[in-house]
Amino acid sequence: NAGVTQTPKFRILKIGQSMTLQCTQDMNHNYMYWYRQDPGMGLKLIYYSVGAGITDKGEVPNGYNVSRSTTEDFPLRLELAAPSQTSVYFCASRQPRGQGGNNEQFFGPGTRLTVL
Amino acid sequence: GQNIDQPTEMTATEGAIVQINCTYQTSGFNGLFWYQQHAGEAPTFLSYNVLDGLEEKGRFSSFLSRSKGYSYLLLKELQMKDSASYLCAVRPRNSGNTPLVFGKGTRLSVIA
Repeated sequence: NAGVTQTPKFRILKIGQSMTLQCTQDMNHNYMYWYRQDPGMGLKLIYYSVGAGITDKGEVPNGYNVSRSTTEDFPLRLELAAPSQTSVYFCASRQPRGQGGNNEQFFGPGTRLTVL
Repeated sequence: GQNIDQPTEMTATEGAIVQINCTYQTSGFNGLFWYQQHAGEAPTFLSYNVLDGLEEKGRFSSFLSRSKGYSYLLLKELQMKDSASYLCAVRPRNSGNTPLVFGKGTRLSVIA
C-alpha cells in the first residue's frame, strides 16, 4: 500500500493563479480530509468527505473547493490564489471503527505552497 | 467553540522522562488522539484514548480524564529522535463522523 499520496510536493503560485492539489489513497477509506498548517500553528480543517459524492466545509473553507467523485481521490482546488493561502497542505484519510477501521487517521506527505 | 491547549515548547534531556499536557473544552467528546510530527514531515498516529485511564505502548503512554478535560502524553527513556512536535486532537461530538480538532502542538527538544 502506498497509503496517502499528494502531488505536487512544492509549488509557487502568483497571486490570482489557480491550481489543484491532488490527493489519492489506496486503503479504501471512506473518510478523507484536507488541512492546512501554518508555522507554529496546529492543523486547520479546510474540507472533508465521508464518502464519494459527499463533501462538507471545515473550519477554514473560504478560497477553496473540493470534489469527491471516487473513494480514492479527493482533490483540493484553489481558484484565485492569495498570499494568505501560503501554507503546508495535508491530506488525510481514515476508516471509522463502525466501518471496519480503527479510527487511526493517516496523513499524506504534504504540499508546500507559496503564493507571491 | 472548541478549545485545545498544550504548551508551546518543552526541553528535556536524553534518557529522561517528559510529560506533555493537553486540556480541552469541547462540545461533546468521542476520543482524544496524540500525533507526532517531525519537522517538515506529516503527522503520524501515536495513541487514542476514549475511556479514562492510561494506555501504554512501548516508551509512550497516554492518559485521559474526561471529567477534567485533561490528557497527557508520557515519553520515557527519551531519545534524540523524539525531538518533534506532539499534537493533541479531540473528536468533539459523540459521532464517528465529526472531524478532529487539533491543538497547536508542543515542540519537544531532546538535548544530550
